[in-house]
Amino acid sequence: IAGITQAPTSQILAAGRRMTLRCTQDMRHNAMYWYRQDLGLGLRLIHYSNTAGTTGKGEVPDGYSVSRANTDDFPLTLASAVPSQTSVYFCASSDVGGDTDTQYFGPGTRLTVL
Amino acid sequence: GQNIDQPTEMTATEGAIVQINCTYQTSGFNGLFWYQQHAGEAPTFLSYNVLDGLEEKGRFSSFLSRSKGYSYLLLKELQMKDSASYLCAVTDSNYQLIWGAGTKLIIKP
Repeated sequence: IAGITQAPTSQILAAGRRMTLRCTQDMRHNAMYWYRQDLGLGLRLIHYSNTAGTTGKGEVPDGYSVSRANTDDFPLTLASAVPSQTSVYFCASSDVGGDTDTQYFGPGTRLTVL
Repeated sequence: GQNIDQPTEMTATEGAIVQINCTYQTSGFNGLFWYQQHAGEAPTFLSYNVLDGLEEKGRFSSFLSRSKGYSYLLLKELQMKDSASYLCAVTDSNYQLIWGAGTKLIIKP
């Protein structure tokens, strides 16, 4: 089934631990994105990648890193988790240069940092 | 700064019509999106406007006025399954999506 998958679905993590959220898409989209969504706030962009091999910082990049070794995968790493990183994380992809650059979202990862 | 404003919450009755407004102030404009997000789920694409006017898609329509920095999403013949949050987002001059906080729509029987 075409689309975006994320893993894990949810995770409880102790503060200070390292965590990688996985994201894979099979739509051959060139661009991928990581957002966090917190109650009462809009989606906030953490990092993005316009094409394999390149990444960029979004609105809230501190404490997070990404890599884009190939078109399909875009993992997000929390090097040393803190409670303020408790959130729902969404990965998205789009075909930049297409008709509308519409972003399509994965199902999300609910992360709790204690 | 860049800003997207939409009401926090709206309530409507099943079978009725509701209009959700969105105003924006962004550095440049390259299109406006509406997404639907059910509780606990991912946002899903509803509509895209880049030119002024109304785009109709079944029970949902979206309107854009670029000169006024304004859009609305119109939902007709409301159904209980339309209870969700509706997110407005604008693509700025750098082709980054700027998101509103979303409007939670509650449908009552």
